[in-house]
Amino acid sequence: KAGVTQTPRYLIKTRGQQVTLSCSPISGHRSVSWYQQTPGQGLQFLFEYFSETQRNKGNFPGRFSGRQFSNSRSEMNVSTLELGDSALYLCASSLALGGILYNEQFFGPGTRLTVL
Amino acid sequence: EDQVTQSPEALRLQEGESSSLNCSYTVSGLRGLFWYRQDPGKGPEFLFTLYSAGEEKEKERLKATLTKKESFLHITAPKPEDSATYLCAVQASNTGKLIFGQGTTLQVKP
Repeated sequence: KAGVTQTPRYLIKTRGQQVTLSCSPISGHRSVSWYQQTPGQGLQFLFEYFSETQRNKGNFPGRFSGRQFSNSRSEMNVSTLELGDSALYLCASSLALGGILYNEQFFGPGTRLTVL
Repeated sequence: EDQVTQSPEALRLQEGESSSLNCSYTVSGLRGLFWYRQDPGKGPEFLFTLYSAGEEKEKERLKATLTKKESFLHITAPKPEDSATYLCAVQASNTGKLIFGQGTTLQVKP
């Protein structure tokens, strides 16, 4: 069974630009969550999507947004990039049986974003 | 406020030297506690889920236990390939969000 895939794996952008990251969950998984990981703050929850609806949101500014498609694939977008947005962005999928975030989340390899 | 604290931040062991990693948590209603392993440059790899106090899970040299306030990850006779960052996360029943600790970086020397 294929794992969670994320594209691209590496990105370099400059301040003020915007970026879109993509995540394909494990087949059959309907919940997709996004996290930002930095050395100082660790892993921080961005948002979670289930059946194309944002179900949970972390404490990030509105520049961070996402969406989920009918095939459960998800994208996240960061607009007006700042230096502090440099991080590893991780996507995780979960089975979410019964519509509830269920059991363990399986992570992708991440997208390393560098903002210059 | 929901919070997860892991200790120590870093741990150096000799091969074969057993030890434990701690994860203390404060959460309004625990749905589950998760342990992950993360290697440099990779996403976290799922290890265990614990749901209630008294529960234990084992996998090879790793054993995870859970009380009402903390969890321990016991590493028995570690090998150099066990070197990684170990992350603990709790899921709050009211929000469903996963809250991660800062992790413990384990280095096992041969």
